[in-house]
Amino acid sequence: NAGVTQTPKFRVLKTGQSMTLLCAQDMNHEYMYWYRQDPGMGLRLIHYSVGEGTTAKGEVPDGYNVSRLKKQNFLLGLESAAPSQTSVYFCASSYLPQTVLGELFFGEGSRLTVL
Amino acid sequence: KNEVEQSPQNLTAQEGEFITINCSYSVGISALHWLQQHPGGGIVSLFMLSSGKKKHGRLIATINIQEKHSSLHITASHPRDSAVYICAVRSKGTSYDKVIFGPGTSLSVIP
Repeated sequence: NAGVTQTPKFRVLKTGQSMTLLCAQDMNHEYMYWYRQDPGMGLRLIHYSVGEGTTAKGEVPDGYNVSRLKKQNFLLGLESAAPSQTSVYFCASSYLPQTVLGELFFGEGSRLTVL
Repeated sequence: KNEVEQSPQNLTAQEGEFITINCSYSVGISALHWLQQHPGGGIVSLFMLSSGKKKHGRLIATINIQEKHSSLHITASHPRDSAVYICAVRSKGTSYDKVIFGPGTSLSVIP
């Protein structure tokens, strides 16, 4: 069973380029999240979605956009990449919201480097 | 100052040693999670705690709500335990409920 799948796993961009990270889950989860992980810091929430067609800002949303057109997919877009967006990005999903004692299922991560 | 801190940041142990990783937090919480991140990057949930102690195999997690502190213990450590261990808390009383992740503790167990 695939669980949560992220593509691509690695990408190098030049400053100003755009790209989209795709997260797909096959568990019929309502809730999906995008996090970034930086050295010495914990995972930080970028955007999240509580259902198809809905998105909301997390702690660090600036410079990112998201879409949830289908329940199983959550896209993270960078319209004009900046070196500060060099990071490892994780997608997660859950049946229950993260604010309830429920389990988060994570993807394998996508390492993005912006030159 | 991070709201969730972990110590040590890095830890190297010999196979068989008893290991303790600590987590302290400064916010009011309703639950605490311990997660494991393997070198390949995948993150899995180990424990969810709101009080007391939980045990799963060689892993034991404890939490002291009054002291705002949790520990993750690994007994009879093995090289396959090598991973980053992440503490995360579900905070309450903020503008929106959220999970706050610690920076992680990198554990390396040497044969």
